[in-house]
Amino acid sequence: AQKITQTQPGMFVQEKEAVTLDCTYDTSDPSYGLFWYKQPSSGEMIFLIYQGSYDQQNATEGRYSLNFQKARKSANLVISASQLGDSAMYFCASKGEGGATNKLIFGTGTLLAVQP
Amino acid sequence: DAGVIQSPRHEVTEMGQEVTLRCKPISGHDYLFWYRQTMMRGLELLIYFNNNVPIDDSGMPEDRFSAKMPNASFSTLKIQPSEPRDSAVYFCASSDHSKNEQFFGPGTRLTVL
Repeated sequence: AQKITQTQPGMFVQEKEAVTLDCTYDTSDPSYGLFWYKQPSSGEMIFLIYQGSYDQQNATEGRYSLNFQKARKSANLVISASQLGDSAMYFCASKGEGGATNKLIFGTGTLLAVQP
Repeated sequence: DAGVIQSPRHEVTEMGQEVTLRCKPISGHDYLFWYRQTMMRGLELLIYFNNNVPIDDSGMPEDRFSAKMPNASFSTLKIQPSEPRDSAVYFCASSDHSKNEQFFGPGTRLTVL
């Protein structure tokens, strides 16, 4: 079974500063993937970044990077140079790889507010 | 390329009525997922298909819910009869077996009065 924990219900950050959103996971799968999605107030779910459990380097996508610490089972999202448009709900998710399962398990989300 | 398309975007119905939600996945994707999002339970997977075949429906809440995928470009999620506790945003997502990310549709906001 997989479980995702996001302990920060809400976060504030000043525009242009960096912010880290926490995510810890628990899985029994030997191989797995970790995802971050953004959900703005308009409601759509936007894929941001993916990290495979066997990837040697931390994933990066533009201003997004994933701080993957396998031993600690954490997959924190770092957003650099925050913009007002980054204000949204952010969800961490995991997916077991291999076997029959292909489903994403989501955390409860962190609401990020970027202040001017 | 068009993304995942869902219809309707909003649905308001009365308790006891049948509700049908529709989804068109991204062309070429072989996985299709139905999720439900509520304040109480967050985002939860209801069912997913691979090559039009249901693989895991363990998240379907009860017999009132059913999902079909008659072909690679269309899926439905039906609730019959609907109840107020079914009020939620229902997302459809699709993915390709060679990629990791799932692409979500805009969602259908269902309100059951």
